[in-house]
Amino acid sequence: LAKTTQPISMDSYEGQEVNITCSHNNIATNDYITWYQQFPSQGPRFIIQGYKTKVTNEVASLFIPADRKSSTLSLPRVSLSDTAVYYCLVGPHSSYKLIFGSGTRLLVRP
Amino acid sequence: EPEVTQTPSHQVTQMGQEVILRCVPISNHLYFYWYRQILGQKVEFLVSFYNNEISEKSEIFDDQFSVERPDGSNFTLKIRSTKLEDSAMYFCASREKTSGSRSYNEQFFGPGTRLTVL
Repeated sequence: LAKTTQPISMDSYEGQEVNITCSHNNIATNDYITWYQQFPSQGPRFIIQGYKTKVTNEVASLFIPADRKSSTLSLPRVSLSDTAVYYCLVGPHSSYKLIFGSGTRLLVRP
Repeated sequence: EPEVTQTPSHQVTQMGQEVILRCVPISNHLYFYWYRQILGQKVEFLVSFYNNEISEKSEIFDDQFSVERPDGSNFTLKIRSTKLEDSAMYFCASREKTSGSRSYNEQFFGPGTRLTVL
């Protein structure tokens, strides 16, 4: 499975756009990029998944360049409730397991 | 919206005792998982279960662990003889059979059971 690297922590303010970048240099052809969010004492929650270019849903956007060696999760206009740990995962679709790294701890300040 | 439920929310046990953690996955889901998260550490995969058998398990999932789907709704994780290092948050997750509208790696996690081994 491809190794991922993302910042340990990020700070932001309410109303700002937050971009979290994940590096996955050895991504395989059949790998998808998936992002999860985890609040303290809760289970992770799926945010978004993509294979290439751009994917957008009601929560976030995911930008994937042509070489797929990195990806950026974009959270528009964050609020205090977006304070959480964000995980970038890379693996084949229909994988039997999710492999979580250390994630990025996002702190949104008033 | 349907959700994964887990009981109990907190389990305290003595070292060497057996514990059973229970999960009710989302009803039409076919793939079931257990993960654990030691306080302050990463979420770790334990086991996946499909078609009434284990699909894959991690090195953590040794002979002390077992899983079962005793009926059409429950999915359980049993730890036969708990150790201090088994203290963690245990998450159950489920996933439906991949279909066009759902992303492939979208697993739905329960709220977790906090296991404390004394």
